[in-house]
Order: sequence, then structure tokens, then C-alpha cells
Amino acid sequence: SQKIEQNSEALNIQEGKTATLTCNYTNYSPAYLQWYRQDPGRGPVFLLLIRENEKEKRKERLKVTFDTTLKQSLFHITASQPADSATYLCALDRGASKIIFGSGTRLSIRP
Amino acid sequence: GAGVSQSPRYKVAKRGQDVALRCDPISGHVSLFWYQQALGQGPEFLTYFQNEAQLDKSGLPSDRFFAERPEGSVSTLKIQRTQQEDSAVYLCASSPRQGLEATNEKLFFGSGTQLSVL
Repeated sequence: SQKIEQNSEALNIQEGKTATLTCNYTNYSPAYLQWYRQDPGRGPVFLLLIRENEKEKRKERLKVTFDTTLKQSLFHITASQPADSATYLCALDRGASKIIFGSGTRLSIRP
Repeated sequence: GAGVSQSPRYKVAKRGQDVALRCDPISGHVSLFWYQQALGQGPEFLTYFQNEAQLDKSGLPSDRFFAERPEGSVSTLKIQRTQQEDSAVYLCASSPRQGLEATNEKLFFGSGTQLSVL
């Protein structure tokens, strides 16, 4: 079955630095890979989506890469701010119900 | 409303009690998903509806779990004879995506129902 691994440890970053989160998967490559942000007591909120034939996608301070050879996606937040502190989830998407989430990485940005 | 609404926000049940969790998706969204999220874990897929049809229920952990969406809008997740291991946050998400092979559509999540079984 498909497995997804994200940074197992929480990530603590100094404000202003770039945070890099990792998502590794096994077995088949998804058609799309999505990244979500989740704050305590809230549902996940969509951030970015990248297709399997795209290498990189950017949105403001966010950048996502997708390497189907390595079966890995990297999620970068540049010029990080304390407000970026949250749990970030990657999700593999092969269509409709086949959206599988990783366990998430908790990111803390210290002032 | 503007977003996905779930109720109740919190539910405390005694072991063996039946519970019903409600989800109001975004109006017009064809697809509706239920996920279970344990503390410190990512959402685990439970079931998927396209309109009123339940197309995938492979994630339901046992026959005590039942979901329905009779008119293709509001959905209810029912758990019979609750057990302590059912304690988790139950998330509902909707999407405009259509078809089992449809992709490229993000999910809109509700805030979830936190279920505690004592």
C-alpha cells in the first residue's frame, strides 16, 4: 500500500530563515501532490498543488518541488515568520477518493 | 454558509453509545470525504461520496461505522456501540471534483468533530 513519510521530528526555525519540509512516498507516483496547513483545533487548509510533470511551483513565499525519480516533494517557506508556525501536511492525489495524507510536520518559527 | 460546517464541535460519549456526526459541505460541491485524525497524526481516509452515491468506503474501520448522504448535500457519519479507540477528530471535506479519476481539485475541510469515548 502507499506510504507517506514526512519529517518525523518537529522543525524549529529562526524567524527570517527558510524552512524546508520533506515528503517521501513509496509505490506509485501520484498524479498530483498537495500541501496543506493545519492549525490546532482547525481543519487542514489547502496551500499548493503540483502535478507530476512539474518540477517546481511557487506561491508568494512558498515553493514546492516534486521529484518523481526520488519519490519526494520538498516544501519551502522563505523569510519565515512566527505566523507560519503550524503543522504542514502533504497529500498524494490520484483522483477522487485516493487522497492520502502524511502524518504532518510541526513547524515552529521563533522570533 | 461560506465553508464546510460540522456539528457538534465536541462530543463525549460513553462506551457503547451510538453517535451521529453531521457535515454541511459547501453548496454545489459534488464530492464529500470523511477522514479520521488521531492526535499527532495525519487525516486517515474513511469514505467518499459523489453526490448521494458512496463510491468508496474502504477506509471505514469496522461495520460499526456507517455514512450516508441521502440528498447529495448534508452527510452524516454514524458510529454504533462506540469504543475508546474511536476517540479522534472526525473531519469532513468537500470538493467540486467529479468522477473517480478527477484530480486537480483541492479539498475544503471543516473544523472537525472531536469525539471522546469514555
